Amino acid sequence: ETGVTQTPRHLVMGMTNKKSLKCEQHLGHNAMYWYKQSAKKPLELMFVYSLEERVENNSVPSRFSPECPNSSHLFLHLHTLQPEDSALYLCASSQDQRSNYGYTFGSGTRLTVV
Amino acid sequence: AQSVTQPDIHITVSEGASLELRCNYSYGATPYLFWYVQSPGQGLQLLLKYFSGDTLVQGIKGFEAEFKRSQSSFNLRKPSVHWSDAAEYFCAVGGPDKLIFGTGTRLQVFP
Repeated sequence: ETGVTQTPRHLVMGMTNKKSLKCEQHLGHNAMYWYKQSAKKPLELMFVYSLEERVENNSVPSRFSPECPNSSHLFLHLHTLQPEDSALYLCASSQDQRSNYGYTFGSGTRLTVV
Repeated sequence: AQSVTQPDIHITVSEGASLELRCNYSYGATPYLFWYVQSPGQGLQLLLKYFSGDTLVQGIKGFEAEFKRSQSSFNLRKPSVHWSDAAEYFCAVGGPDKLIFGTGTRLQVFP
């Protein structure tokens, strides 16, 4: 248990479906992140939230929609995805967004788009 | 431009042998440096980090890394590898509010 919990662990969805990924941390961290991990590519930062406010959005397609209702929870809402969106989606948290002592990662959600 | 390079995509070692994983970076200021490990089906776990001070840092699981400013490197080492060390290792570089990851090095350990 890393302190950051992601559900579901695996998700298969059709291109017309709508689904959500959930991330939860009870470490008292104030910053949360979504990363995309594809084979043979560096981790891609998608979104950053600090104190529930989105502070970074790295040119992510609008079919990915994040939500941070409180400092402990982070969601990634998915709709009309493409097969190239299949990847491991990792959530991470850190103490705060302006002091980088290292991130705590969840185990990820393996997403397959069919 | 800021970047991280892990030149070795895949390394194979025998159990008990020593290990060195390479990491080179390009960063405009004094960087924060990290090594993470990812076991199959898992997220990334922080092994060690360097912010300042002693350039040789100790981490968990018997790993250490040395920051060499002149070479822009932060190589990860372990004197004797165990079979359980088989995983993917990521070097990351950044500042207070940013982290850039390398593409990773997959470590395979033979008995």
